[in-house]
Amino acid sequence: GEDVEQSLFLSVREGDSSVINCTYTDSSSTYLYWYKQEPGAGLQLLTYIFSNMDMKQDQRLTVLLNKKDKHLSLRIADTQTGDSAIYFCAGRSGGYQKVTFGTGTKLQVIP
Amino acid sequence: NAGVTQTPKFQVLKTGQSMTLQCAQDMNHEYMSWYRQDPGMGLRLIHYSVGAGITDQGEVPNGYNVSRSTTEDFPLRLLSAAPSQTSVYFCASSSSGGALFFGSGTQLSVL
Repeated sequence: GEDVEQSLFLSVREGDSSVINCTYTDSSSTYLYWYKQEPGAGLQLLTYIFSNMDMKQDQRLTVLLNKKDKHLSLRIADTQTGDSAIYFCAGRSGGYQKVTFGTGTKLQVIP
Repeated sequence: NAGVTQTPKFQVLKTGQSMTLQCAQDMNHEYMSWYRQDPGMGLRLIHYSVGAGITDQGEVPNGYNVSRSTTEDFPLRLLSAAPSQTSVYFCASSSSGGALFFGSGTQLSVL
């Protein structure tokens, strides 16, 4: 099955950019997702990218996909304290039920 | 529009007890699934269903049962609770080709 890996922790200062990285193993992944989880809450879909795209921008969020290296990143511009959360990368392949999640990256924003 | 609703939000069980975690969605999604979230391990798929009457095992199915008698409901049953099942449980649903939508989770402690 697919493996999705992320670093566990990232700390940034308020106003700086945050970059959260993710690597995956299944080159047939058709959709790649970023989810945000705030304390005590479920996962909220932030954005997604199709495997035939290299980049997607949505307001402060930029997703970059390097298919050759199987590397996905999420850049948050002008990071705010409200962005403090756990961010999960996920990949879907082999049918819509096969979604594999990474371990999550905890983003700490220092005021 | 309620989305994905999980009950209860918190539950404490004694070893050997059984219980059912409820999940309902009002988006007419074909696909529903159960995940457990443990520290440092991300989300692991327990069971999933691609439609009423159809269920299948995920990555960690042992000790859990599911059924899907209607499109809306997908309960998760713990047959004989064990301390290793202490976790946060999330139900999710999606349409074919769509992203997963998550419930707010059930925090389960087994003593």
